[in-house]
Amino acid sequence: EAQVTQNPRYLITVTGKKLTVTCSQNMNHEYMSWYRQDPGLGLRQIYYSMNVEVTDKGDVPEGYKVSRKEKRNFPLILESPSPNQTSLYFCASSPWNLLSGANVLTFGAGSRLTVL
Amino acid sequence: SQQGEEDPQALSIQEGENATMNCSYKTSINNLQWYRQNSGRGLVHLILIRSNEREKHSGRLRVTLDTSKKSSSLLITASRAADTASYFCATSRWRSGAGSYQLTFGKGTKLSVIP
Repeated sequence: EAQVTQNPRYLITVTGKKLTVTCSQNMNHEYMSWYRQDPGLGLRQIYYSMNVEVTDKGDVPEGYKVSRKEKRNFPLILESPSPNQTSLYFCASSPWNLLSGANVLTFGAGSRLTVL
Repeated sequence: SQQGEEDPQALSIQEGENATMNCSYKTSINNLQWYRQNSGRGLVHLILIRSNEREKHSGRLRVTLDTSKKSSSLLITASRAADTASYFCATSRWRSGAGSYQLTFGKGTKLSVIP
């Protein structure tokens, strides 16, 4: 089944304790992206990647890191989490086209993170 | 920054009625997409309309695009309780910093269909 898999789905952690949210897709998509969703703010893009070793900042990259060493994986790293990073996180992937960019996104089920 | 703005923010209708949601945007787009999200779950793609298209249908969904007004509407006909969800528009627009098209989401319309 074509899918984007995120782990963990739920996590409660404390301020300053490094954590990684993994994301993997099995569709051979070039494009992958991380979003956070907060009440009243909708989905905001954190980082995206157009292919292996190509990553760039989205609208809200502060406090996050990503890497794209393999095509299928795009982990989101919080080096020193803070309470304002408490949110619902989504990973998504898409085929990539030079002319039209990212097209239809396939989303993961989400990772709900709480930072105390 | 968010490009698409959905209207209304929330909509409550009776089962069987039609639901219309609107999306406005500010800059030229390559395409516009609508997604659905059941409470707290991942978004699911519904329909994509390209900038040179005016209307598109998919089952009970009808999407229109007016590039002169920079707006789109999503119509769900004969709504069902199972249509209760949040609906987001996403615009594919040129992002100069990225040197490519990128998708940007609005804040969504929360639809409640009452049985």
